[in-house]
Amino acid sequence: DIQMTQSPSSLSASVGDRVTITCRASQHISSYLNWYQQKPGTAPKLLIYAASSLQSGVPSRFSGSESGTDYSLTISSLQSEDFATYYCQQNYSPPWTFGQGTKVEV
Amino acid sequence: EVQLVESGGDLVQPGGSLRLSCAASGFTFSSYSMNWVRQAPGKGLEWVAYVSNTNTTMYYVDSVKGRFTISRDNAKNSLYLQMTRLRDEDTAVYYCARDRNYGDYGRWNYWGQGTLVTVSS
Repeated sequence: DIQMTQSPSSLSASVGDRVTITCRASQHISSYLNWYQQKPGTAPKLLIYAASSLQSGVPSRFSGSESGTDYSLTISSLQSEDFATYYCQQNYSPPWTFGQGTKVEV
Repeated sequence: EVQLVESGGDLVQPGGSLRLSCAASGFTFSSYSMNWVRQAPGKGLEWVAYVSNTNTTMYYVDSVKGRFTISRDNAKNSLYLQMTRLRDEDTAVYYCARDRNYGDYGRWNYWGQGTLVTVSS
């Protein structure tokens, strides 16, 4: 199984901050990497797919990048509605696996 | 509008069985593969099972193999998860999730609201 190691597990930030979350795959996954946002009591929401493609309707302050087996999600200017938990997930091969999550809080 | 509505979650004793359902609407159900993803209380997300659009290919996470069965009825626009020999660690909110596009396996842009399964004596 492919292990996804996400960091940090939590971070404190303020509105307007630039925030970066990273995810490392245990093997090459050829950009088959997605990012989801989840708010308490709600289902996850797809933000970024294929490492760097913005899902329709997602604000452009969200972006994704990759370097080898390392993937990053960046929020260029944090907004109040962005306080949530973020998960990376590989869809290179089943079992599709998630990172442990990063909680972005004030 | 795409809608996925799960049902069937309940309190069940260890060793018991339960069948979850997911009613789909707003898209051509038979064109998309479907999945179940779960989240234990206060924990992260875990993909559980996949079924192809034609109900011919299924995948499972190791922890549920031999105990859970995913299936679908394209005539009823419905997805199912038959859960047997339930364990405490199966306690979670179970979401059904649709692939983003045909052939976009393991990438989900539509999710239901979830149904809670609690395994406890």
